[in-house]
Amino acid sequence: NAGVTQTPKFQVLKTGQSMTLQCAQDMNHNSMYWYRQDPGMGLRLIYYSASEGTTDKGEVPNGYNVSRLNKREFSLRLESAAPSQTSVYFCASSHRRPFGYTFGSGTRLTVV
Amino acid sequence: AQKITQTQPGMFVQEKEAVTLDCTYDTSDPSYGLFWYKQPSSGEMIFLIYQGSYDQQNATEGRYSLNFQKARKSANLVISASQLGDSAMYFCAMRENQGAQKLVFGQGTRLTINP
Repeated sequence: NAGVTQTPKFQVLKTGQSMTLQCAQDMNHNSMYWYRQDPGMGLRLIYYSASEGTTDKGEVPNGYNVSRLNKREFSLRLESAAPSQTSVYFCASSHRRPFGYTFGSGTRLTVV
Repeated sequence: AQKITQTQPGMFVQEKEAVTLDCTYDTSDPSYGLFWYKQPSSGEMIFLIYQGSYDQQNATEGRYSLNFQKARKSANLVISASQLGDSAMYFCAMRENQGAQKLVFGQGTRLTINP
């Protein structure tokens, strides 16, 4: 059971570079989420997708874009990376019932 | 807007003692769920326990129990007989059942179990 798979696990970017974080789930979940976790803080929601074909902004969306490619995949794009985007990024998915959330193992991103 | 507050940045407990991690929340949605997650130093998010707003009894999962006081809007996690392996960050989170069911997290509490 793969659950939620994130790639890559680690990435170093230079300021101004772009990249896409990939996330895929194999549990047939409707909803998918992208969070960031900074030191000393909890997870903050960047974007979410309640169902295939829909995306909405979360708490900290600036500097990011997302694509819900299909029911399985939800990608997060940084168009022009900034040092303030250095963080650990988690993807998650959920079902309406039962109310469970499954998290990926995270992507540690450093922007220099 | 939904909000979760964890007021204990860090806690230190002796092994085998019980520990209570505090969590208060705010929401206008009468239907919601409360979650606790453990994050060890390896970084993964491990689900511990869930409490629904309409559940009549406090949730329990092995050594974990949730002290749910709805009127006070608190959902404290109680770990009985703590073990060295319980040392980790602990996050309280809430999901409102309306809309997109976003999970909102508190700031976390770092728990250290001393031998």
